[in-house]
Amino acid sequence: GEDVEQSLFLSVREGDSSVINCTYTDSSSTYLYWYKQEPGAGLQLLTYIFSNMDMKQDQRLTVLLNKKDKHLSLRIADTQTGDSAIYFCAEPSMFSGGYNKLIFGAGTRLAVHP
Amino acid sequence: SQTIHQWPATLVQPVGSPLSLECTVEGTSNPNLYWYRQAAGRGLQLLFYSVGIGQISSEVPQNLSASRPQDRQFILSSKKLLLSDSGFYLCAWSGQGAWDTEAFFGQGTRLTVV
Repeated sequence: GEDVEQSLFLSVREGDSSVINCTYTDSSSTYLYWYKQEPGAGLQLLTYIFSNMDMKQDQRLTVLLNKKDKHLSLRIADTQTGDSAIYFCAEPSMFSGGYNKLIFGAGTRLAVHP
Repeated sequence: SQTIHQWPATLVQPVGSPLSLECTVEGTSNPNLYWYRQAAGRGLQLLFYSVGIGQISSEVPQNLSASRPQDRQFILSSKKLLLSDSGFYLCAWSGQGAWDTEAFFGQGTRLTVV
């Protein structure tokens, strides 16, 4: 079945870059997503990348996609304390009837310290 | 614009009591609806999904049930709560198109069973 894996924790110093990594299994995924969850809140879409792209940059965020290795990464430049959150990687999976659901990784808790 | 409402935000219930969590979506029709549970360090586990009124599919066996009495209303229930039902419950919706893989989340309900 589908599986999305991420490391659970990352600690960085304020101002440094953060890199959160993810591996996925379904090579037919059309989009791959990064969601951000702040304490006690729901998930919000942070960014996404279409499967025919290798890289997407959005201000401080850079998403890299290696389709051969099924590896996705999220780089946050100049990490700030407000970036402290849990980051989830997600890939869509088709279920019966042709509908989609998202399969999430366990989430990477990013801690930013001064 | 579409919005998703989930309530209550927090809930403390004794073991053996019933449960009813409600989720409603506004601004869209025929959404796919989902209930996820988030346990510490375990990421998001898909509990139920629904592609239409009265159509509920369960991903994992459990003490919970779901219902969709109206197109944009999704309810998570239990007749008798267990301690292991404690967790953070998230409702989400997505479109039903083949390219509608992004999920939009409610703010979550923190359930503590005591």
